Amino acid sequence: QVQLVQSGAEVKKPGSSVKVSCKASGGTFSSYAISWVRQAPGQGLEWMGGIIPFFDTANYAQKFQGRVTITTDESTSTAYMELSSLRFDDTAVYFCARALFSYVGVQYYYYFVDVWGQGTKVTVSS
Amino acid sequence: EIVLTQSPGTLSLSPGERATLSCRASQSVTDDYLAWYQQKPGQAPRLLIFAASSRATGIPDRFSGSGSGTDFTLTISRLEPEDFAVYYCQQYGTSPPRYTFGQGTKVEVK
Repeated sequence: QVQLVQSGAEVKKPGSSVKVSCKASGGTFSSYAISWVRQAPGQGLEWMGGIIPFFDTANYAQKFQGRVTITTDESTSTAYMELSSLRFDDTAVYFCARALFSYVGVQYYYYFVDVWGQGTKVTVSS
Repeated sequence: EIVLTQSPGTLSLSPGERATLSCRASQSVTDDYLAWYQQKPGQAPRLLIFAASSRATGIPDRFSGSGSGTDFTLTISRLEPEDFAVYYCQQYGTSPPRYTFGQGTKVEVK
């Protein structure tokens, strides 16, 4: 059974960075795209960006461009999301999510998410 | 950039009733690449429907999706107690890759 297991909760100060991990078990890690989606308290789902480990190609939402970095370590089937310059409104639960992908030349497409991580709560507090 | 607008914001119904949730896109969704997810408090979302009308593995047949272009609907034919949750629609399959979610519809017990 495929699972995405995320790292534990974090408490960070404003201006610092946080790095959340997402380890895949089961399935073939490089056959999927991994996205990061966050959910602020009482709010909806917000896509931050994603990566295709096979191509080591990441795409980011414009809102987070320059502040988020998504990477993978194929040797451990682990994806990482690092968010810098943290603000109070970055307090949220951060989910990793797996999806099939396709490509035509250098155009990449992510499909629907079929497996989610359990979520990692990040609290930004002074 | 497509904007997905879900309605209503909250749906108050009783177990056994039919639920009809709407998701409207600001422009046509390519290839009807629209998914629906269910989320319960403290849990990750769960995939219900993909490609507008295909049920995901293990999803009961009381859940159905329909629509195309800019107007999509998730229908729960007879609400079970475990169906009270928040439902999100999502557009996918674009290049460059990105996901757009609707703001969610909460289905609550009347």
